[in-house]
Amino acid sequence: QSVLTQPASVSGSPGQSITISCTGTTFDVGSHNFVSWYQHHPGKAPKFIIFEATKRPSGISDRFSGSKSGNTASLTISGLQADDEADYYCCAYLGTWVFGGGTKLTVL
Amino acid sequence: EVQLVESGGGLVQPGGSLRLSCSASGFTFSHFEMNWVRQAPGKGLEWVSHVSANGDTIYYANSVKGRFTISRDNAKNSLSLQMDGLRAEDAAVYYCATGVWFRFPDWGQGTLVTVSS
Repeated sequence: QSVLTQPASVSGSPGQSITISCTGTTFDVGSHNFVSWYQHHPGKAPKFIIFEATKRPSGISDRFSGSKSGNTASLTISGLQADDEADYYCCAYLGTWVFGGGTKLTVL
Repeated sequence: EVQLVESGGGLVQPGGSLRLSCSASGFTFSHFEMNWVRQAPGKGLEWVSHVSANGDTIYYANSVKGRFTISRDNAKNSLSLQMDGLRAEDAAVYYCATGVWFRFPDWGQGTLVTVSS
């Protein structure tokens, strides 16, 4: 079981917004902003979509945004599209790295 | 364009060994930290190991410490993972990934390791 807790699944309809939480502790998520997010379509390479909790790499749609409050980081996807259906993972640096358990996003 | 291509996966018996490789191109390999990340069937991503750009600093997940060895050859733009004493729970798709400031910007497609008798 990961030290970073994510909901197992979330769902939304096309055009809607969803938020995925990633809850840690004061010793990891709560102590710094080295939280990143990855999108993973099964069978493909994971894709890096958010770094330092709130920043978007170049080339990533502004429909993806990150935030952090206390011990919880969050990923929000707005204007849901069919291709957003994937697994999403948060990752935090704790001296080494730990991933959250992952959240399966279903676009209804 | 960054390209990371893993190879070396396959079927191995419990207790056996396997050596994974990752061939890198499209960037200055010697400037980047590198990592191995795995995904067991039906499970999430798990960070496995990290090596600094010059190879001097290495970290392992507790689950593989003492059994896996990460290495790199900057002259050949290549990353390796020697896996010994393999267990059923090591079965996974293994990805190599670049490391930049505590994040993993680029990933390969992965190579599948199956541990079974």
